[in-house]
Amino acid sequence: GNSVTQMEGPVTLSEEAFLTINCTYTATGYPSLFWYVQYPGEGLQLLLKATKADDKGSNKGFEATYRKETTSFHLEKGSVQVSDSAVYFCALSDLIYNQGGKLIFGQGTELSVKP
Amino acid sequence: NAGVTQTPKFRVLKTGQSMTLLCAQDMNHEYMYWYRQDPGMGLRLIHYSVGEGTTAKGEVPDGYNVSRLKKQNFLLGLESAAPSQTSVYFCASTSLTADTQYFGPGTRLTVL
Repeated sequence: GNSVTQMEGPVTLSEEAFLTINCTYTATGYPSLFWYVQYPGEGLQLLLKATKADDKGSNKGFEATYRKETTSFHLEKGSVQVSDSAVYFCALSDLIYNQGGKLIFGQGTELSVKP
Repeated sequence: NAGVTQTPKFRVLKTGQSMTLLCAQDMNHEYMYWYRQDPGMGLRLIHYSVGEGTTAKGEVPDGYNVSRLKKQNFLLGLESAAPSQTSVYFCASTSLTADTQYFGPGTRLTVL
C-alpha cells in the first residue's frame, strides 16, 4: 500500500542554518504531496503542496520539489528561524472521487531551532 | 469563519467509561476525518465520511464509532475506553474537489 517515510528527528539547528528534511514515498498512481506543520499545542496546517511531477511547492521560505524518479519530496529552507521550531509532516493524498481523499502521513520530524 | 473546531480540548477518562468527541466545520466541506496522533507514528486515520449520513473505516477503526447526522458535524465515540486510546485526536475536513485538509486544534485524551 501507499506509505510515507521521513527522516527521524529531532533535528536541532542554529538560527540561520540550512534545513533539509527528507521524505520519500511509495504510491501507485500520481498522488499529490504535502508538507504540514504543527506548532506546539496546535493542529496541523498546510505548509506547501505539489500536485504533479517536477512541481515545486513553496511557502514562508520553505520549498519542496516533487521528484517522481526518486519518489521524494524533501523539505528545504535556506535560513531557519527560532519561530520555525515545530513538527513537520510529509503526506500524500490518494484522492479518489466520491471515496474521500485520504492523507497518509509520515511519522513527523521535530525541528528545534536555537538562537 | 471558525474553520474546524473540536470539543472538548482535554479529557481524562477511566478505563471502561464512554465519551463523544465533537468536530464541527463551517466551510460546507463534504469530507470529514478523524485521526489519532501518537509519538513516532504520525497521524493515523480512524474513520472518515464522504457526506452526511455516510461513514467509512480508516486504518485504525477498532474501539471507535462515528456518526455524521449533519453535514457540518462529525462525532467520534468511544464506547468503552482503554488505556491504548490515550492519544491526541484531530478532526479534519476538505471539499469534494480539493485535496488540502483543514485541521482542528485537537483533543488530548488520557485514559487511566
